[in-house]
Parts: sequence; structure tokens; C-alpha cells
Amino acid sequence: NAGVTQTPKFQVLKTGQSMTLQCAQDMNHNSMYWYRQDPGMGLRLIYYSASEGTTDKGEVPNGYNVSRLNKREFSLRLESAAPSQTSVYFCASSVITTGELFFGEGSRLTVL
Amino acid sequence: SQQGEEDPQALSIQEGENATMNCSYKTSINNLQWYRQNSGRGLVHLILIRSNEREKHSGRLRVTLDTSKKSSSLLITASRAADTASYFCATNSGAGSYQLTFGKGTKLSVIP
Repeated sequence: NAGVTQTPKFQVLKTGQSMTLQCAQDMNHNSMYWYRQDPGMGLRLIYYSASEGTTDKGEVPNGYNVSRLNKREFSLRLESAAPSQTSVYFCASSVITTGELFFGEGSRLTVL
Repeated sequence: SQQGEEDPQALSIQEGENATMNCSYKTSINNLQWYRQNSGRGLVHLILIRSNEREKHSGRLRVTLDTSKKSSSLLITASRAADTASYFCATNSGAGSYQLTFGKGTKLSVIP
């Protein structure tokens, strides 16, 4: 079982460039999430999708957009990257009733 | 904003000893979860305890929940070097929300 797969694993961008982080899960989960992890800050929720066709803002949505492409895939887009978006990004999915999250391995983004 | 706060921030113990980590939170919860993160990896779910439960066990893990004090503890018994990781508590506030709010984590080092 692949679980939750994120691509790319590493990316370096220049300020103002755009990029999309891809996430796919093969567990037939309804809910999917994007978190960012910064040193000393723990994980903070950017956006989530409770079910296919819906998306909602989390704690830190500014500068990001998301697309729930289908039940398996949930992408995160940075339209104009800023150095403050340098972080490790984690995608996760969950069985809707329990809230237990299954995480991908992370995407390490550096914005210069 | 952070809901859960772990204590201590860092803990160093000898192999075979027990490790105890604490988590405090601010608002009422539906459930509380503990996750482990090995260096450079994604988070892995360890255990979930519901608000109407007081104690739960899973292998060498024991979790307690005191809703009156808004606190939880994670005990790892007979620790091993492989338990070296960061441990996070996360709270689910329920009320139709499937968002988990994470603390900043406790970094556990188990010395062989």
C-alpha cells in the first residue's frame, strides 16, 4: 500500500514563482488536508477538504490555493511564492468519522 | 493558533527507562490523538482517546486523559533507541469539524 504520496519531495523556488504540490491517497478516504511545519511551530493547517467537491480554509490559508481534483487527489498551489512560505508541507488523509490522519512523507520547499 | 502544548519540549532518557510526555489544551475536545515523527519523515498516528475515555493502552504506550484539567499524558514504557522521535498531541474539537490542531511537540532522545 502506497498510502499518501506527495510530489515533489524537494523544490527550490525564486520569489514570485509559482508551483503546485501534488498529493494522492489510495485508502479511499473522504477527507484530505494540507499542513505546513516550521521549526518551533508544530503543524499548522493550511486548507482541508472534508469530502470530494468541498474545500475549506484552515489556520494559515493566505498565499495558497487548493483543488480537490477527485476523491484521491488534493493539490496545493502557491501562485507567487514568498520566502515566508519556506517550509515542509505535509498532505494527510483521514477516515471521516475518526479523525485519525495518515500523512505523506512531506515536501520540502525553499523560496529564495 | 496552537490548541495542544506539549511538555517538556525535549526529553533525554536511557534505554529501558520510561518516558512521560504531557499535553495541555484550552477548549473542549471530541478526541485527542498522539503522533510520532521520526527525523525527516511524516507523522505516524499512535493512539486516539475520546473525551469520554480516561485511559487507553497500545503495546508499550499508555495514554491518559483528564478533561477536567484539559490535559493528557503519553507514557512509553521500557523505551528503546528506536523510540527516538518527536511526539505530538493533536486535538479534535468536534462540532462537525474534522480539523486536528497540533501542539509543538516533545523531542525524545533514547540513549542506548
